[in-house]
Amino acid sequence: DAMVIQNPRYQVTQFGKPVTLSCSQTLNHNVMYWYQQKSSQAPKLLFHYYDKDFNNEADTPDNFQSRRPNTSFCFLDIRSPGLGDAAMYLCATSRAGGLYGYTFGSGTRLTVV
Amino acid sequence: TQLLEQSPQFLSIQEGENLTVYCNSSSVFSSLQWYRQEPGEGPVLLVTVVTGGEVKKLKRLTFQFGDARKDSSLHITAAQPGDTGLYLCAGASNNAGNMLTFGGGTRLMVKP
Repeated sequence: DAMVIQNPRYQVTQFGKPVTLSCSQTLNHNVMYWYQQKSSQAPKLLFHYYDKDFNNEADTPDNFQSRRPNTSFCFLDIRSPGLGDAAMYLCATSRAGGLYGYTFGSGTRLTVV
Repeated sequence: TQLLEQSPQFLSIQEGENLTVYCNSSSVFSSLQWYRQEPGEGPVLLVTVVTGGEVKKLKRLTFQFGDARKDSSLHITAAQPGDTGLYLCAGASNNAGNMLTFGGGTRLMVKP
């Protein structure tokens, strides 16, 4: 089945230790998004790629970076995780914008110790 | 900036009761979607509504898009414990390249 896959499902990292979360898709969608979601809140957009075109949200901390080496893969790098970065990180894709919805992965739950 | 106000934020009901969740904005949207998110999982798209006044039904769930395409509602009939989760509305607007704006979410708990 075509889908969005996030790895790992659970990630524990030490305070200040760089961590990378990955997302892959078999939908061949043009757009990939990274969201941060804290408990029971709405997802907050960090950035998105439209093909290779990177778009950063104005309030996304510099601590967060992203890479999209090809259509299928997208990575979220957190350079120096703080306790406040503990959250669920969601990857989503869409064909071109969200007119007909996004397809989300199952998320990566990040714990910072 | 487009905002989607979702209400209520929390809802705890008994199995068999009916409920309605609202999503309101002062902005016009090209489409509006409803997602359900279970704990530890990503949101799953339930429905997309595109036409003003449109009504869609998905088993016990009824979705309505306002005539002016600024608001939407989700009605659940005879709620079941399996309906428990976080419900998110999201609107797509041409002004924002059809990027989605999410509502704040409604956390629903259905008790047996």
